[in-house]
Amino acid sequence: GAVVSQHPSRVICKSGTSVKIECRSLDFQATTMFWYRQFPKQSLMLMATSNEGSKATYEQGVEKDKFLINHASLTLSTLTVTSAHPEDSSFYICSARQGATAAYGYTFGSGTRLTVV
Amino acid sequence: KQEVTQIPAALSVPEGENLVLNCSFTDSAIYNLQWFRQDPGKGLTSLLLIQSSQREQTSGRLNASLDKSSGRSTLYIAASQPGDSATYLCATSNAGGTSYGKLTFGQGTILTVHP
Repeated sequence: GAVVSQHPSRVICKSGTSVKIECRSLDFQATTMFWYRQFPKQSLMLMATSNEGSKATYEQGVEKDKFLINHASLTLSTLTVTSAHPEDSSFYICSARQGATAAYGYTFGSGTRLTVV
Repeated sequence: KQEVTQIPAALSVPEGENLVLNCSFTDSAIYNLQWFRQDPGKGLTSLLLIQSSQREQTSGRLNASLDKSSGRSTLYIAASQPGDSATYLCATSNAGGTSYGKLTFGQGTILTVHP
């Protein structure tokens, strides 16, 4: 089945530094990937849609200059949290779908726990 | 805008019991509906995917039904086991409106199966 690999699984960084999270589709090409944020005991909140070869589309209220998304190939999307602050600490999850439509559903990565100290 | 609601928010049952998790959605313009499982601190594992034209899907002890016209889906777990303890999320893949092309998640049902 479709597999999405996300790295790192856990990262601790100092306030003011930047952190990059990678999301890879291992056995399929993903023209579209999605980045979510999850707060404790809450459901997933969509942050942005990552499109291969073009700019990401951000959800309302998400700062595009803080959360930089790059989707340079059909198997890799990256999320960079720039100038991280403690309030950016959260669980970040990526997902990808096979093909241009949702016919095959969505596959999720294992998530990244970001802690900013 | 699509809204997805899951009931109950939490469920605790003894091992061996059959149980039903409920999911309702407000906009019937969906491509499909997907049930996921999330263990603490982990990503989401897809359990079942039901296309909008389908009525149900089965995988092992799991059975999911879909009634698109009434905006409802149920996940039935037979003979529950402690290993089934997790948060169960349903999500619609939306075909219209402002949620087009995106997944909308419910808040989840936290299931605890005790020995």
